[in-house]
Amino acid sequence: EVQLVESGGALEQPGRSLRLSCIASGFTFADFAMHWVRQVPGKGLEWVSSVDWNSGSSAYADSVKGRFSISRDNAKNSLFLQMNSLRSEDTAFYFCAKDSGSLLATSLDSWGQGTLVTVSS
Amino acid sequence: SSVLTQPPSVSVTPGETARITCGGDEIGSDSVHWYQQKPGQAPLLVIHYGTDRPPGIPERISASNSGNTATLTISRVEAADEADYFCQVWHSPSAHYVFGTGTKVTVL
Repeated sequence: EVQLVESGGALEQPGRSLRLSCIASGFTFADFAMHWVRQVPGKGLEWVSSVDWNSGSSAYADSVKGRFSISRDNAKNSLFLQMNSLRSEDTAFYFCAKDSGSLLATSLDSWGQGTLVTVSS
Repeated sequence: SSVLTQPPSVSVTPGETARITCGGDEIGSDSVHWYQQKPGQAPLLVIHYGTDRPPGIPERISASNSGNTATLTISRVEAADEADYFCQVWHSPSAHYVFGTGTKVTVL
């Protein structure tokens, strides 16, 4: 059974940094692209960032480009999101999601339960 | 398609058919994926690559895509189908994933 467990969400002040982690199990992590998607409570889904199977390619939403950085450690079945220069509009639940393939441009076939990031002074 | 528009809500009686549209410029040429999200839960992939159901998704759920509209169809609606539904595509020109605005399905 695929399991994705996010952690690292917290209350942080504007301008500060946070690092989210996602630990994967139940599948061969190194074979699949991975994603971060966020959701303001009661609102829609917003794609944040993606990385392919071997970190050869990554992509970012315009709203986070230059501030967020996605990375992965295939040896540790882990996905990360480094979030710098946080803004109040970054407040949301952040979901880790597994791709159905190794490259970008496909579907997100498994999701974690999310971790809450709150940016406020 | 860089913008995907869905109706905010759809209401349906149990046993009837719910149709959820996803509008986007030439979306018919895209591979559309659909997700179901129940309150307090993570999204669940229900349709990928336009028409394919992942394992465990009932045959009552189907999808089509043509022109500027993709449609998710839920036949013989049950109370358990009450949820938010989101469409999603990969927008090649910008190398971005794009989610639709979401539709809340209410079972009356």
